[in-house]
Amino acid sequence: GQQLNQSPQSMFIQEGEDVSMNCTSSSIFNTWLWYKQEPGEGPVLLIALYKAGELTSNGRLTAQFGITRKDSFLNISASIPSDVGIYFCAGQPAQGGSEKLVFGKGTKLTVNP
Amino acid sequence: DSGVTQTPKHLITATGQRVTLRCSPRSGDLSVYWYQQSLDQGLQFLIQYYNGEERAKGNILERFSAQQFPDLHSELNLSSLELGDSALYFCASSVSTGYTGELFFGEGSRLTVL
Repeated sequence: GQQLNQSPQSMFIQEGEDVSMNCTSSSIFNTWLWYKQEPGEGPVLLIALYKAGELTSNGRLTAQFGITRKDSFLNISASIPSDVGIYFCAGQPAQGGSEKLVFGKGTKLTVNP
Repeated sequence: DSGVTQTPKHLITATGQRVTLRCSPRSGDLSVYWYQQSLDQGLQFLIQYYNGEERAKGNILERFSAQQFPDLHSELNLSSLELGDSALYFCASSVSTGYTGELFFGEGSRLTVL
């Protein structure tokens, strides 16, 4: 089945630094989404992207839907301690059932004050 | 608070046993999804229901079953439990089956099989 390769697996950064993470696939996706999961909580939707090339911001977060429809990236600017968590990319494959949202394995972000 | 309620939050049981996890979706949401999250596999889609009917199946084992009731709450039944079934089980809901991927997740039920 479709798989999403998310990198890096983990990041350790200083407060104030910018962060970049990405997700790639060998197959085409119709939708790309980014979720954040904090300890003891379920994932929370951060940004949803629906068109190739789309660039969307949500506060200090910016995400893009790759032109090839096979990748997406998420940037966080001027990180703060509350950015700590696991960031998941997710995509809706162009092939197969649209309900089968595929998730990456996550990028664990640690922010040192 | 996502508005999705899952019970129980934690469950410890023995191999061979059966458990039921419960989920109440956000008010107005007709679709319910179940996901399994383990350390090495990430979030794996199990099954989706829309307004009481099964809509999509993912990597759900035959030992697992689910249903959505007329009041839209859903239950995930896990039977003949094995050690490898230990994981976080998430329920998520969305407004419709015009699927956009915009899911609202509950806080999860942590299952430990000993």
